[in-house]
Amino acid sequence: DAGITQSPRHKVTETGTPVTLRCHQTENHRYMYWYRQDPGHGLRLIHYSYGVKDTDKGEVSDGYSVSRSKTEDFLLTLESATSSQTSVYFCAIRGQDTDTQYFGPGTRLTVL
Amino acid sequence: SQQGEEDPQALSIQEGENATMNCSYKTSINNLQWYRQNSGRGLVHLILIRSNEREKHSGRLRVTLDTSKKSSSLLITASRAADTASYFCATDGQGGSEKLVFGKGTKLTVNP
Repeated sequence: DAGITQSPRHKVTETGTPVTLRCHQTENHRYMYWYRQDPGHGLRLIHYSYGVKDTDKGEVSDGYSVSRSKTEDFLLTLESATSSQTSVYFCAIRGQDTDTQYFGPGTRLTVL
Repeated sequence: SQQGEEDPQALSIQEGENATMNCSYKTSINNLQWYRQNSGRGLVHLILIRSNEREKHSGRLRVTLDTSKKSSSLLITASRAADTASYFCATDGQGGSEKLVFGKGTKLTVNP
């Protein structure tokens, strides 16, 4: 998985609680991404980062925030989780000098 | 909104047969990529084809790109049961190559 880890790998939480997912890379790459994957929708970009403290919104950013205080870590926060945020979340990095992305193993989040 | 759309949504073949998946997209691109996802895992990059290329090979994979029709195809020759997975095309769309837009995928089943 190209030196990318995600934690936790599985989480069950209740509506209204805050949730933070962590993506960690060992490759020192500049670009990092958060996607969600849902049946019938494929993979959709939530937020991405192009450097420390530099982030931008993706297609489905409402209800999510991100932070990147170190090159190796990209955090995704659901301030107040809703059932519609039940999904599988993937982190990815963009390879150096390439347009290819490398994905982490995913986090399965269930919001009850 | 999805930039790439794969066709068919699902494909079932016998081992040894060839599998062809198609991807159509809407706007001009710099490159188009194909990824594979095994059940419960992250996406894995297969091949990238640039807008000035018409065909590219990698092992048993053959990718074609027709920019006039805004379409690409992925051919897997002599398929194996291990090729069973979902296949996604991804384009860099209008925002440049720092963001990718993924299609909804083709689910390929190769029966032994």
